[in-house]
Amino acid sequence: DGGITQSPKYLFRKEGQNVTLSCEQNLNHDAMYWYRQDPGQGLRLIYYSQIVNDFQKGDIAEGYSVSREKKESFPLTVTSAQKNPTAFYLCASSGGTSGRYEQFFGPGTRLTVL
Amino acid sequence: QQQVKQSPQSLIVQKGGISIINCAYENTAFDYFPWYQQFPGKGPALLIAIRPDVSEKKEGRFTISFNKSAKQFSLHIMDSQPGDSATYFCAASSYDGSTLGRLYFGRGTQLTVWP
Repeated sequence: DGGITQSPKYLFRKEGQNVTLSCEQNLNHDAMYWYRQDPGQGLRLIYYSQIVNDFQKGDIAEGYSVSREKKESFPLTVTSAQKNPTAFYLCASSGGTSGRYEQFFGPGTRLTVL
Repeated sequence: QQQVKQSPQSLIVQKGGISIINCAYENTAFDYFPWYQQFPGKGPALLIAIRPDVSEKKEGRFTISFNKSAKQFSLHIMDSQPGDSATYFCAASSYDGSTLGRLYFGRGTQLTVWP
């Protein structure tokens, strides 16, 4: 089955620790995205990538970092510089035969800072 | 600055009723307007989408109405069912000359359909 996988589903972090969220897609999509979702805030774009080894900051990139070494993978690191990291994180991808615009989302990772 | 404004924030509808969610935008370069449906603890999924060359698109019980001059679009859910209870997001995008069409999302509407 084609789709997007995110792991882990739940993640707990102590203050001051960096954590990395995994996102993998087998849809052969060129573009990948990371969003943060908080209650009443909608989806806010953290980072996005159009091609391998290239990525751009979204609206709330501070305290986050990404890499795009493979087309299929777009991991997100939440650093200790992110002041309020507790949130639901969503990865998405677009492109290929499905068209440029339609974004397909993964199941999400819920991060909780203890 | 919110590129897409969505209302209401929450909506309660009786089973069989019509649910209506509205969105407005300012950027006239937007040329793609999707609606996403999200169930608790899941990722959003594309429900229906429209381009500005048509004023209405219908898929089953879901209809998008689009008013280009007013820069508004809305989602209508006919014969609403308890299984429609979810959060709905409108979004907008424009082609920016690259391969990427970034989506700008509204803040979401939490729909509850009572049996």
